[in-house]
Amino acid sequence: EIVLTQSPAITAASLGQKVTITCSASSSVSYMHWYQQKSGTSPKPWIYEISKLASGVPARFSGSGSGTSYSLTISSMEAEDAAIYYCQQWNYPLTFGSGTKLEIK
Amino acid sequence: QVQLQQSGPELVKPGASVKISCKASGYAFSSSWMNWVKQRPGQGLEWIGRIYPGDGDTNYNGKFKGKATLTADKSSSTAYMQLSSLTSVDSAVYFCARSTGTGTIDYWGQGTTLTVSS
Repeated sequence: EIVLTQSPAITAASLGQKVTITCSASSSVSYMHWYQQKSGTSPKPWIYEISKLASGVPARFSGSGSGTSYSLTISSMEAEDAAIYYCQQWNYPLTFGSGTKLEIK
Repeated sequence: QVQLQQSGPELVKPGASVKISCKASGYAFSSSWMNWVKQRPGQGLEWIGRIYPGDGDTNYNGKFKGKATLTADKSSSTAYMQLSSLTSVDSAVYFCARSTGTGTIDYWGQGTTLTVSS
């Protein structure tokens, strides 16, 4: 099983600040996907296949990486971005990272 | 539009079983994998397994073998997950979720809350 390690576990950013969340895989993966989840709701597809933004995701979000190292970046933090972000890979079995909670400072 | 409508909250006693449903609409049900994901209160996401309704093929997370059984009814476009021998650790929100060929999950159900309590 591929273990995904996200960092940081919790972070706080000021409005307008750049934010980077990283996801490290225990073995190389071909694709990394990201989800946003707010309290009491289902996760939403956010970034798929490393760098493609899901429908409706603002252009201030981006994804990058390869092999075992991936990241999600917000170029300029906005209030609506406060949430938990999960990375996910599909090399059987499917696994998720433990999540990064992003708060407003 | 694609929709995944899950059954309502469940309160069951320890040792019992429960079957959760997920009715799909807006796409070719038989042609996409349906996944099930567990989320305990305040915790992260855990993949249980997936089923391909077209031929009933299933893949399970080893941790849930013997705990979860996935089935699908093509005639009603509904996926099911049965959980057996329930204990308090099975109390969680369970999501059904469709995945694509590259393993991304592009649609999620609203979640079904399971509470195991005497």
